Amino acid sequence: AQSVTQLGSHVSVSEGALVLLRCNYSSSVPPYLFWYVQYPNQGLQLLLKYTSAATLVKGINGFEAEFKKSETSFHLTKPSAHMSDAAEYFCAVGYSGNTPLVFGKGTRLSVIA
Amino acid sequence: EPEVTQTPSHQVTQMGQEVILRCVPISNHLYFYWYRQILGQKVEFLVSFYNNEISEKSEIFDDQFSVERPDGSNFTLKIRSTKLEDSAMYFCASSDRVEDGYTFGSGTRLTVV
Repeated sequence: AQSVTQLGSHVSVSEGALVLLRCNYSSSVPPYLFWYVQYPNQGLQLLLKYTSAATLVKGINGFEAEFKKSETSFHLTKPSAHMSDAAEYFCAVGYSGNTPLVFGKGTRLSVIA
Repeated sequence: EPEVTQTPSHQVTQMGQEVILRCVPISNHLYFYWYRQILGQKVEFLVSFYNNEISEKSEIFDDQFSVERPDGSNFTLKIRSTKLEDSAMYFCASSDRVEDGYTFGSGTRLTVV
């Protein structure tokens, strides 16, 4: 069964510092990969997605992620953190045939002034 | 931008009571989902719905749960006899294709007392 592992339930960075949120997946077939962001008391908003085109994917709010098949990873990065980036971030994996997306446990990002 | 609408935003119910959570998916989407998130925990898949029938369900989705699309626009989740452990945030989502990702609603916070 597919699974997603997000390393670090909580990541804290200083404002202006690099953001790196890690995601690894287990799969024997090519996956679709997604990052979602959840602000407090809100729903899940799609940040970016990988669907077998370019391995470096750019999303909203300056975030990007790189698909590395050899490492089965899809880490999320942002060069310079803003206070408004503080939220919960979820990595998710899906496959063709519309099997449901499987989510990681989430990583809470805190940004310190 | 099209969005998924969920009502109510918050529901408090007594243990043993029936609740119906409502969702209006994006109109041209074909696939519909319910997920739940217990406070501070991961986003868990409940059920997927396509072509007016359940296409997949998780172990959580037992006989106490049901879904239907009564009028071609609304998509409802019913819990027949709520338990304390049903307290969670319930998210509805819809999609056209899995590679596009899901669009989530803002959620219904269900509190069972």
